[in-house]
Amino acid sequence: DVKVTQSSRYLVKRTGEKVFLECVQDMDHENMFWYRQDPGLGLRLIYFSYDVKMKEKGDIPEGYSVSREKKERFSLILESASTNQTSMYLCASSTGLGYTFGSGTRLTVV
Amino acid sequence: EDKVVQSPLSLVVHEGDTVTLNCSYEVTNFRSLLWYKQEKKAPTFLFMLTSSGIEKKSGRLSSILDKKELSSILNITATQTGDSAIYLCAVPTDSWGKLQFGAGTQVVVTP
Repeated sequence: DVKVTQSSRYLVKRTGEKVFLECVQDMDHENMFWYRQDPGLGLRLIYFSYDVKMKEKGDIPEGYSVSREKKERFSLILESASTNQTSMYLCASSTGLGYTFGSGTRLTVV
Repeated sequence: EDKVVQSPLSLVVHEGDTVTLNCSYEVTNFRSLLWYKQEKKAPTFLFMLTSSGIEKKSGRLSSILDKKELSSILNITATQTGDSAIYLCAVPTDSWGKLQFGAGTQVVVTP
């Protein structure tokens, strides 16, 4: 069964901390995405990657960076966490035809 | 700017009712429209629609696309409490899979 795995289901971090959210897929997909989901706003694209070491900004990249050193792993980095980054974070991978989502990481910044 | 709008944002129904969810879109190069169901975890795929007027069905769920009206509806008949979820509509905005999502419709089915 194909999988997208996010390393943490729930995280609580302090304001100012550097936070790493990890996502691993086992489907050999080129395309990987990070979204955040907030009530009433739906899913908004933060960053995406079409290939190893390649990254593109999505709609709301401010305060975030990403890393894709290997095809199967796409990391989202919060350089200095702030309370307005409290959200559900969803990773997905795609061939361009179908999406597979991870289970999400609910991040709370206190 | 690509845009996807869903309505209503939320609704509460009784078991056995029929529910109709709406999704309208404005995208530069339309390819397809996707519906997802999200319970507590990851969104799960329901339907992909590419052709206008052709209904897709899966059990009590069905969906249809109207390219003239730039919209789609998702119907759930004989609702059950297990249908309680957020229903997401999304449209690809490039050939690599980048999706523009609507805000979602929260459906609550009460016993």
